[in-house]
Amino acid sequence: DTAVSQTPKYLVTQMGNDKSIKCEQNLGHDTMYWYKQDSKKFLKIMFSYNNKELIINETVPNRFSPKSPDKAHLNLHINSLELGDSAVYFCASSQQGPYYGYTFGSGTRLTVV
Amino acid sequence: AQSVSQHNHHVILSEAASLELGCNYSYGGTVNLFWYVQYPGQHLQLLLKYFSGDPLVKGIKGFEAEFIKSKFSFNLRKPSVQWSDTAEYFCAVRSNFGNEKLTFGTGTRLTIIP
Repeated sequence: DTAVSQTPKYLVTQMGNDKSIKCEQNLGHDTMYWYKQDSKKFLKIMFSYNNKELIINETVPNRFSPKSPDKAHLNLHINSLELGDSAVYFCASSQQGPYYGYTFGSGTRLTVV
Repeated sequence: AQSVSQHNHHVILSEAASLELGCNYSYGGTVNLFWYVQYPGQHLQLLLKYFSGDPLVKGIKGFEAEFIKSKFSFNLRKPSVQWSDTAEYFCAVRSNFGNEKLTFGTGTRLTIIP
């Protein structure tokens, strides 16, 4: 069983469209995250949810809206897509506490044309 | 705020060579340190982590890292690399306080020549 699964794996869409990426974890972790990896491989945190509550929101445009229906799911909805949104988006989860690393999903490669 | 620096952007080695990738962090308090590997086209996987105790940490695939508190460093090492070690390597830091987010360095691309 995949621990952190994301869908879709690839997403190609036109500017101005709205799209969603889904993430599910079956590890029983309380905390989930969204990271953006740009073309230079730089990883930047976007959001973090702990047990359905938003705890980190890192200067992300409000076109990006995370939603956590329960602690095992964290979806990312993006409105009015722009060329600069093209990147790989990684979902991750972890146990609560600073001693734990994250378990990452396989990523969603978003290409905006 | 915490930050991580990886000064080696791209390292090219021949098989069987020894590897050391640099990582320095900046944070005033207690931190936990991690190394992740990302093979081409894949997600990040945890190689090893340090949060207390012996500053020499052993991880998977023959990797190890040494935490030197006085130098704010956590360098990754491997005595003899293989072609399959070709990947992107990320150092990351997570503080013991606050919202505990994992902050990544900019990554080091490692290319192993057969």
